[in-house]
This record gives sequence, C-alpha cells and structure tokens, in this order.
Amino acid sequence: QQQVKQSPQSLIVQKGGISIINCAYENTAFDYFPWYQQFPGKGPALLIAIRPDVSEKKEGRFTISFNKSAKQFSLHIMDSQPGDSATYFCAAAQTGANNLFFGTGTRLTVIP
Amino acid sequence: KAGVTQTPRYLIKTRGQQVTLSCSPISGHRSVSWYQQTPGQGLQFLFEYFSETQRNKGNFPGRFSGRQFSNSRSEMNVSTLELGDSALYLCASSLGASYSGNTIYFGEGSWLTVV
Repeated sequence: QQQVKQSPQSLIVQKGGISIINCAYENTAFDYFPWYQQFPGKGPALLIAIRPDVSEKKEGRFTISFNKSAKQFSLHIMDSQPGDSATYFCAAAQTGANNLFFGTGTRLTVIP
Repeated sequence: KAGVTQTPRYLIKTRGQQVTLSCSPISGHRSVSWYQQTPGQGLQFLFEYFSETQRNKGNFPGRFSGRQFSNSRSEMNVSTLELGDSALYLCASSLGASYSGNTIYFGEGSWLTVV
C-alpha cells in the first residue's frame, strides 16, 4: 500500500513558469515532509522540508504548502529553469522513526 | 565535508550469488539507512542502523540483511540473488536515531544488475 501518493507522474513546464507537484498521505502520525530532487545517475538530494506546525515554507524559488486537515502537501517551483529538470520525490516520516516513505516521483521537464 | 560514500558504484552478479554493498556515512553521523530504488516500486526502505543496532526494518525478505560497525560504516548483503533484485541501492545517513531535526543525506547509490 502506497503510504504517500504523488501526482502528476510527469510534468512539462515552460521556462519561467510555475511547476506544481502534489502529494497526499493517510498516516496522521507523519510529522515530517521532505522533498527530494534526483538527477539521473545521482542519489536524491534534499530540497526543502516542512513540519505540520506551519502551512507554508519557502526557500528561494521552492515553496512547500501544507494542508494538515486535507493531509496534502505540495511543492511549487517558481520561475522554473531548465536546470530544474529532474525527478522530484515527496516523502513522509514520523517522530521516532528514521525511515522515509516516498511518493512515486514526478519527472519534471522545463522547456527553454 | 565528504558526503555519503557508497561502493561499489556498479556491479553485475549472477542469479543465486550474493552481494555485499558498503556505505560510509558523513563524518559524525551515527544513523545509516538503506533504500532500494526500482522503476516499478520506487524508493523503498530496507532497514536502518544506529549505534550498530538495527532500529527499523522494511518489508523485505530475510535475504536482505545489513550491519553497522563501530565507526558507523555500514554494509548490506543480499543472498541468493534474484533477477528482481536488480536496482539502485541507496545509503542514507543522518546525525541521530530520529529524523527529527536531522536531515537525511543520500549517497549516489550502488547499481546492481542481476543476470
């Protein structure tokens, strides 16, 4: 059973546009929600993370929006650049455990 | 500061053989976890070690095992390899036993092909 559901599977955005990736979870014990970026041939790299005590977190062009009641969170990439083309994974974990439950990934392509 | 180092990066094994993968965490990190990444199943948690003790285990058969040494370096072993074990095996490290406040950093992985 997929603990974290992610959509869309793939996304094509024009340079300068906004990329939006959505995730949903069921386990209300989750209290840590990171996003990872993975380039081909590389391991996942942490992009940004949020805890449920805030509804939004912004770091540069990357913003996480979190809706605790809906059990959903999303990643917004503003002013998308060709260098942002990668696979993005959302994940969730709970206090006391060090295992991440990952979404299925979104392959983002930013067209110049 | 060196990142998470995994060796070997690429290897090819035959069905029925066994394989051992190695991971050196970031200096000072005591928690090491392992993940399997495949196109079909995505990223799945295998197990986590902290201070040489397995603290958490994913839903994988007993053919998958691991250990952690006193210097926090970790190895994972897969015995009696099957074609379906072909995957990217990722090691991740963090400071403590709980993710809380501790970022989890991934290595670049070991690509295993079983033929």
